[in-house]
This record gives sequence, C-alpha cells and structure tokens, in this order.
Amino acid sequence: SAVISQKPSRDICQRGTSLTIQCQVDSQVTMMFWYRQQPGQSLTLIATANQGSEATYESGFVIDKFPISRPNLTFSTLTVSNMSPEDSSIYLCSVRTQGGWETQYFGPGTRLLVL
Amino acid sequence: EDQVTQSPEALRLQEGESSSLNCSYTVSGLRGLFWYRQDPGKGPEFLFTLYSAGEEKEKERLKATLTKKESFLHITAPKPEDSATYLCAVNWGAGGTSYGKLTFGQGTILTVHP
Repeated sequence: SAVISQKPSRDICQRGTSLTIQCQVDSQVTMMFWYRQQPGQSLTLIATANQGSEATYESGFVIDKFPISRPNLTFSTLTVSNMSPEDSSIYLCSVRTQGGWETQYFGPGTRLLVL
Repeated sequence: EDQVTQSPEALRLQEGESSSLNCSYTVSGLRGLFWYRQDPGKGPEFLFTLYSAGEEKEKERLKATLTKKESFLHITAPKPEDSATYLCAVNWGAGGTSYGKLTFGQGTILTVHP
C-alpha cells in the first residue's frame, strides 16, 4: 500500500479565484490520478497525472480549468481555476503503486467550498 | 448508459443481521473489480480486488465474490462500526489510455443499528 497526504484538507474560496491542491506519496508510484466527488455523488476521474509529460484528461475536463503538474514519482498538484460554486466538491488523489497490480489507493481528500 | 450499478442505494441492518450488497457491470474487457469503504469526510479505503469470475476474497466480516456480470459484498453479523458507504469500481478496456482508470458505481450507504 501507500501513505498519501493531501493539502489543504479543506478550504473555502471565493468565486473567480484558484486553488492548488497538493498530493504527496511516501513511495514512488507508477500512476497518479485525480478524482472529483460532488456532494452526494460517487467519484469521477478528472485526469491521469503523467510524470514528466502533460496530464491525460477525461471527457468533460480541460487543462485550462484543471491544470495538473507531476514533477516526480511522489508528488502531484491539481489546480482548480476560476472557481464557481459548481466546483464545490471533494477532490481526491489516488495512486497505483509499483508492483501493485491494478489496485488504487486514495488520499484523504480536499473538501472545497466555493462561495 | 450506466456501466457500474450498485444496489440497494441504502441499506439499514440490525447488528448481527447478515446481508449482501450488489454491484453489476456492463463493461467489456474487465481487468479488475474493486470494493472500497468510505467513511464521511474521508477518502475511500481499499477493501478487495477481484480479477476473474468465481474468485472470492474475505476480510473479517466481509466477503466479496465475482461473476461475469456482477459482484456481491456479503456482510456477516455486521456491527455498528461497519456503517459506511461501500463503493464498487471497475477497471476495464483494451489497454492504452484506459489502463489504470476506475469507473465507480454510486455506492451503497450501509447503516447498522445496535
């Protein structure tokens, strides 16, 4: 398994601003992912964070709105840009560990409220 | 078109009353089916991975099984601390960009009363 931390754990932001969420893993991982969980809903994949290259976004999510960085094998950031109340969600980082066949482990999440 | 469907949406049990949660899927090329537990305000906690029909896995009061169309999470003699949302997810596809991606069901909210 892997120990995953996210910062911040929660935040309240104003409309039109941006927030960067950090995800740190205690070991090198092959793949990192960012998910969104809207209130009362299940998880939806935003993008796969690729080390050393541009992230791969899912349908409905674009780089201008959710820029992602992954400078190394243990760290990634997700920025939620030009926020609106509809962006209020829990944002979750997940990882697939080296040698961990297909299993994904999740971080504690960042709870975002946009006013 | 729903690819992963969980039922029931909510389940209330008395302590000790065994039951099952269902996860049905309509994807092709299943690579793995995953069960997670999620407590309020926390990230999903990994429980099981199932790879092929007929496979079973157990952990304490939980037992997960897999067929070609669905998976069951059996809870034997549940306790109040088993109360949580249980999420099912699948990894599927022919490879390439689908590798590693999970598609989640809507979850089952389990409440166990003492």
